[in-house]
Amino acid sequence: DVKVTQSSRYLVKRTGEKVFLECVQDMDHENMFWYRQDPGLGLRLIYFSYDVKMKEKGDIPEGYSVSREKKERFSLILESASTNQTSMYLCASSLSSSGREKLFFGSGTQLSVL
Amino acid sequence: AQKVTQAQTEISVVEKEDVTLDCVYETRDTTYYLFWYKQPPSGELVFLIRRNSFDEQNEISGRYSWNFQKSTSSFNFTITASQVVDSAVYFCALSGANTGNQFYFGTGTSLTVIP
Repeated sequence: DVKVTQSSRYLVKRTGEKVFLECVQDMDHENMFWYRQDPGLGLRLIYFSYDVKMKEKGDIPEGYSVSREKKERFSLILESASTNQTSMYLCASSLSSSGREKLFFGSGTQLSVL
Repeated sequence: AQKVTQAQTEISVVEKEDVTLDCVYETRDTTYYLFWYKQPPSGELVFLIRRNSFDEQNEISGRYSWNFQKSTSSFNFTITASQVVDSAVYFCALSGANTGNQFYFGTGTSLTVIP
């Protein structure tokens, strides 16, 4: 069965810490995405990547960066975590950029920044 | 502009009742795709259905059915004879043939089915 795996289900960090959220997919998908989910706001796109070492900003990239050194792995980096980055982070992947391809999601990482 | 609106924030129904989740979209693309995803308490969004803009045929899958109407820009989702396992957050999403890397999600509808 296809799988998107996020390294942590729950994470607690302190303000100012550098935070890495890891995501791995086993489907040889071209595209990978990082979303942030907040109550009442739905899913908001932070960054996506359509190929190794390629990335595009989404709707809310401020305070975040990403890395895609291998096709199967897409990392989200919070350079200096702040309390307003407390949220659920969802990783997703899709086969191609046609628009018709469905997204496969990981189980999410609930990040709390204290 | 691309936008998806799910006006219903929370819905509660008693088991075996029918329930309809509304989704209204805006797009300038002539070719686009609409999706529904289910997010159970475990957190992982699960794909339910995809609809192409050029196919307005309604679809039924077991207790689930979807009504796509381009005239009203709506893609509503009905659960017939709801069950407790249907309790989840449901998201409607839109993507365009020319914006394949961008999916636009609604804010979600939280459905609670009461036994």
